[in-house]
Amino acid sequence: DAKTTQPPSMDCAEGRAANLPCNHSTISGNEYVYWYRQIHSQGPQYIIHGLKNNETNEMASLIITEDRKSSTLILPHATLRDTAVYYCIVRALFMNTGNQFYFGTGTSLTVIP
Amino acid sequence: ETGVTQSPTHLIKTRGQQVTLRCSSQSGHNTVSWYQQALGQGPQFIFQYYREEENGRGNFPPRFSGLQFPNYSSELNVNALELDDSALYLCASSRQGGGNEKLFFGSGTQLSVL
Repeated sequence: DAKTTQPPSMDCAEGRAANLPCNHSTISGNEYVYWYRQIHSQGPQYIIHGLKNNETNEMASLIITEDRKSSTLILPHATLRDTAVYYCIVRALFMNTGNQFYFGTGTSLTVIP
Repeated sequence: ETGVTQSPTHLIKTRGQQVTLRCSSQSGHNTVSWYQQALGQGPQFIFQYYREEENGRGNFPPRFSGLQFPNYSSELNVNALELDDSALYLCASSRQGGGNEKLFFGSGTQLSVL
């Protein structure tokens, strides 16, 4: 039961910033937003996650709106190797049961030379 | 490289057979989750094991079962295979606690049921 909505596909020019939106209007106060990406036929790769503050790491930045109903993943300088399916996930929390991640169908990002 | 290894990488079975898939967790991780990914779809949660017990399950029938061993490695067993079981099966490990764990995925086992 995916709790997120993402555009099915996006293009981005190489070297430009890629901004991937995600809607999660039913998110609960204690649920984190995670982003993973998957390159064809490989396992999903962790990118970043956050609760309510903006986050940045060596791969990307995560901007979460103040009402937490949406977020944007930013890849600051997209390269051809960033071509992948990007999943925005709201982690379903169960007491002491951890990690049920509900993936939707994601956004297929194509970086164009 | 996540340190999560799965075997075999590819497998072909026929309808009605049984299959066992294996997963070795990343060092220091105590939780293993299994996901099924059909072609063109996102991964779907099957179940999770923590301290050798199942402690979360998605919408999958009982013919999907698993084990976690004392060294935190895991097996996924599927009985009475159906054609729709053809998919990429992903194992993910994590260290449970705190509410913001990260999942680290293996490269998966591609199962084809003929």
